[in-house]
Amino acid sequence: GESVGLHLPTLSVQEGDNSIINCAYSNSASDYFIWYKQESGKGPQFIIDIRSNMDKRQGQRVTVLLNKTVKHLSLQIAATQPGDSAVYFCAERGGTSYGKLTFGQGTILTVHP
Amino acid sequence: DTAVSQTPKYLVTQMGNDKSIKCEQNLGHDTMYWYKQDSKKFLKIMFSYNNKELIINETVPNRFSPKSPDKAHLNLHINSLELGDSAVYFCASSPFGQYSTDTQYFGPGTRLTVL
Repeated sequence: GESVGLHLPTLSVQEGDNSIINCAYSNSASDYFIWYKQESGKGPQFIIDIRSNMDKRQGQRVTVLLNKTVKHLSLQIAATQPGDSAVYFCAERGGTSYGKLTFGQGTILTVHP
Repeated sequence: DTAVSQTPKYLVTQMGNDKSIKCEQNLGHDTMYWYKQDSKKFLKIMFSYNNKELIINETVPNRFSPKSPDKAHLNLHINSLELGDSAVYFCASSPFGQYSTDTQYFGPGTRLTVL
């Protein structure tokens, strides 16, 4: 299920299912987007990135989709595993900013064995 | 080999004290950053240095002073600590930073608790 407000959105899936995590961004001038995974007690870890001149990019078990028309980004994880359980953040870089990343709210993904 | 390292990992201190957090990267990157993550997991950039030069300085109280002795190190000194400074502070680095779409690599974080 999902919850918003004071709590992070959450997504619970069964092991082996596909997961889709969504992110809305605000700056139409953003030219670069990254998905990070943060496990408990650790720093954010790079998963996959995409530039604004693309609408899809695939990695190993992960796919990022970018819809610039509605300023929406999604991360798809295939065959989700318990080790995928973490908080997932999207981040955008504004077109004129000097490496400055603006992070989204984060989504808690819980994978049940 | 640790790419981006921070010390200490945990820091517990009293209000009003001054403390420092150190960051080192062995990736040969030109740009380093400090981020603050609050209790709601919200990550916000504080500072960025490129080759020892301050590039990004967000609206941060001037009690926070970053120092970059060389491009592999970016330390964060905090004066007169307040309760609201309690958070996890992350250091990050990226190869170039300016106008490039390069990835930022994060350290393990320093959990600061102000009592």
